[in-house]
Amino acid sequence: AQSVTQLGSHVSVSEGALVLLRCNYSSSVPPYLFWYVQYPNQGLQLLLKYTSAATLVKGINGFEAEFKKSETSFHLTKPSAHMSDAAEYFCAVSGQGGSEKLVFGKGTKLTVNP
Amino acid sequence: EAQVTQNPRYLITVTGKKLTVTCSQNMNHEYMSWYRQDPGLGLRQIYYSMNVEVTDKGDVPEGYKVSRKEKRNFPLILESPSPNQTSLYFCASSLQGAGGYTFGSGTRLTVV
Repeated sequence: AQSVTQLGSHVSVSEGALVLLRCNYSSSVPPYLFWYVQYPNQGLQLLLKYTSAATLVKGINGFEAEFKKSETSFHLTKPSAHMSDAAEYFCAVSGQGGSEKLVFGKGTKLTVNP
Repeated sequence: EAQVTQNPRYLITVTGKKLTVTCSQNMNHEYMSWYRQDPGLGLRQIYYSMNVEVTDKGDVPEGYKVSRKEKRNFPLILESPSPNQTSLYFCASSLQGAGGYTFGSGTRLTVV
């Protein structure tokens, strides 16, 4: 079974500051890990995914995430926040080896202040 | 364009009146799934399908039905909607083993 915990339901940063959104997972099998972004009144868009290749994964819009097995973490970062990054971000986990069930965290709403 | 299409985008209905939300994908994906999104709860899986005629319950299946008669379509049926099914619904599809879904734009359902 898999589960995801996102620390902080709301995160606020200034424009140009570092963005750090935290995600810890639990999985009984080697995981696939994902970050999705949801802009207001839109569906979910895949930002990046870890599928057991490189542990540092680069995604769209300048985001990246690092898979740390020892810490069971998959935190999302961006060096410099932009106003357009304001959205809700979801971390998700699924099991490798054909199980496609995707389990989501409860989401973190990112606010970017001018 | 590769996409998952849901209809309708918005729906207001009354308690007990049967409704269907359609979902179609054009990527030949085997795996399709329905989620509902509620504030503070994230996304929870309702039903999923691993291929034609193969469906199974997710975490919150009560009050919902699905069918998968064709690979591209995966409708969500509410036989007797109740107000606690007011939510934002997403359909998604995935290529088996690839990891990660493509999501539709969502259906905002209100049951009064």
